[in-house]
Amino acid sequence: DAKTTQPPSMDCAEGRAANLPCNHSTISGNEYVYWYRQIHSQGPQYIIHGLKNNETNEMASLIITEDRKSSTLILPHATLRDTAVYYCIDHQGGSEKLVFGKGMKLTVNP
Amino acid sequence: NAGVMQNPRHLVRRRGQEARLRCSPMKGHSHVYWYRQLPEEGLKFMVYLQKENIIDESGMPKERFSAEFPKEGPSILRIQQVVRGDSAAYFCASSPRVAGKNIQYFGAGTRLSVL
Repeated sequence: DAKTTQPPSMDCAEGRAANLPCNHSTISGNEYVYWYRQIHSQGPQYIIHGLKNNETNEMASLIITEDRKSSTLILPHATLRDTAVYYCIDHQGGSEKLVFGKGMKLTVNP
Repeated sequence: NAGVMQNPRHLVRRRGQEARLRCSPMKGHSHVYWYRQLPEEGLKFMVYLQKENIIDESGMPKERFSAEFPKEGPSILRIQQVVRGDSAAYFCASSPRVAGKNIQYFGAGTRLSVL
């Protein structure tokens, strides 16, 4: 079972920043936090990952709390195409498989 | 650099037939993963393979399902004697497996419908 918890859904206005929270209170010291998203009927898409430092790439930013028990994915300027189910995953050390929970449905509204 | 290629995109089978799903990983990736997504549910891990080896098949049903990743050619997920409950989207992912990281790149999936 997934070890992370996310709210089931969130709405965001187009052009605004979308801040997607995730709790991973049982994360181990060597486990990374990964974010993927699944746009309707498509395969999951990797977004970003981090260990303890904040990370930024062309898609998003990832803010991880100092105690590593939670993180926030930030889409700085959400577009309609960002509407998707977003999954926060802590990679279980020693295992290759990704354990997907129920994720969070983000709806970007015009 | 082409992404992960899965075929067919859609597959229709009658109960009792066999289904073969193919996955070509990204160039340079030697690690392949299969996941299943039942209607209105999340993705569930099935199996992890490297070339010619099954590394983790903890998510594979005990019967009728098998997977391979030969030295040459795509990875194959095979379902024998399909039943209606096998209807799902099957996703393949590949990874370059950089030490300590596990970024998986997914294909578009194969949607299996069992009549």
